[in-house]
Amino acid sequence: DSGVTQTPKHLITATGQRVTLRCSPRSGDLSVYWYQQSLDQGLQFLIQYYNGEERAKGNILERFSAQQFPDLHSELNLSSLELGDSALYFCASSVAMDLNTEAFFGQGTRLTVV
Amino acid sequence: LAKTTQPISMDSYEGQEVNITCSHNNIATNDYITWYQQFPSQGPRFIIQGYKTKVTNEVASLFIPADRKSSTLSLPRVSLSDTAVYYCLVGAGDGGSQGNLIFGKGTKLSVKP
Repeated sequence: DSGVTQTPKHLITATGQRVTLRCSPRSGDLSVYWYQQSLDQGLQFLIQYYNGEERAKGNILERFSAQQFPDLHSELNLSSLELGDSALYFCASSVAMDLNTEAFFGQGTRLTVV
Repeated sequence: LAKTTQPISMDSYEGQEVNITCSHNNIATNDYITWYQQFPSQGPRFIIQGYKTKVTNEVASLFIPADRKSSTLSLPRVSLSDTAVYYCLVGAGDGGSQGNLIFGKGTKLSVKP
């Protein structure tokens, strides 16, 4: 158990809908990362937050948005969903904002868009 | 962020030592080298991190030559449970805008009995 909690574990929704994925980082971790992993694809970095502020942006679509709340949990919002958005979405957390520190990954949310 | 190149796949047998090499020709002075392991449908797990020379922990060793343009992850006496994808990451440890975790394609290691 990495200490990072993601909910829900599975999500099935229809095209055009909107969903929210939730991530609770490890206790004490200030940095949260979001990743998308499609079938047989690598991990695509989406966005990073540190202590409530956006730190870095990757290949995140305009239909996607995220935020980190004062209690440090984070939410990833996916709207106008398309079939191609079906993927595993991972959240990771670390103490600091840089690569010197180990990042811990959650078990992921498997999103299926039908 | 320094780009990394790894073999797409590797095969090994139980009990053998496996060495996976990662090339990062454009590594910057303040970049660290980190390796993660990922099993199917699970989040990646940190294995080891280093800056130069050799680092060893309970699961692996990381060898980094003096020029730091490559690194080698060494897994001693692999077992079937080491079958996974291994990612090499190189990035700044200075908390700058490029200090995010960018994963490449990784190396898919298959361990056979």
